[in-house]
Amino acid sequence: SQTIHQWPATLVQPVGSPLSLECTVEGTSNPNLYWYRQAAGRGLQLLFYSVGIGQISSEVPQNLSASRPQDRQFILSSKKLLLSDSGFYLCAWMGPGLAGGYEQYFGPGTRLTVT
Amino acid sequence: AQSVTQLDSQVPVFEEAPVELRCNYSSSVSVYLFWYVQYPNQGLQLLLKYLSGSTLVKGINGFEAEFNKSQTSFHLRKPSVHISDTAEYFCAVSDPPAGRRALTFGSGTRLQVQP
Repeated sequence: SQTIHQWPATLVQPVGSPLSLECTVEGTSNPNLYWYRQAAGRGLQLLFYSVGIGQISSEVPQNLSASRPQDRQFILSSKKLLLSDSGFYLCAWMGPGLAGGYEQYFGPGTRLTVT
Repeated sequence: AQSVTQLDSQVPVFEEAPVELRCNYSSSVSVYLFWYVQYPNQGLQLLLKYLSGSTLVKGINGFEAEFNKSQTSFHLRKPSVHISDTAEYFCAVSDPPAGRRALTFGSGTRLQVQP
């Protein structure tokens, strides 16, 4: 079966410091991968998605970047964090649904607090 | 462009009472519709989805939703809620085939079940 991992689970970083969040998927190949951010009291905002190695699409202009160095690895980065980068970051992959069609499967998330 | 509106940010309800969480969407094409649930500090879990066919969809944990194309709605219902249903609920939409792009999420509805 497929599983999706994210780490770290929680992170507290000062403003201006770099960021690296990692997401890996097991049990599937060539998945579509996604990064979402959930700010306090708000819904999910799509940040990036990737349909293959080295292929990244950015949905929102910001100081974050994403990379996909391997088929099942998706990394979210920043060179200098802002206070507004605080939030809950969710990685997801798109796969076939049990009853047909496709659905997104989410990782456990990373809680980032920028101080 | 697609959009999803969840009309209620919070819904308080007593245990064993029925509940309806409202969701309306806008799209120029036919869509797939989803409801996800998020428990505190966790990722999202799929409750149910509508792809085609019967407009009444049954999901996990006793939830169901009805697709109404003329009203562009996909409201979530449960006849009798439990304390354990306290969580955030997200409605989402995707263009079929839902294999290449991310979902568009509503802003979420926080269901608070009181004893």
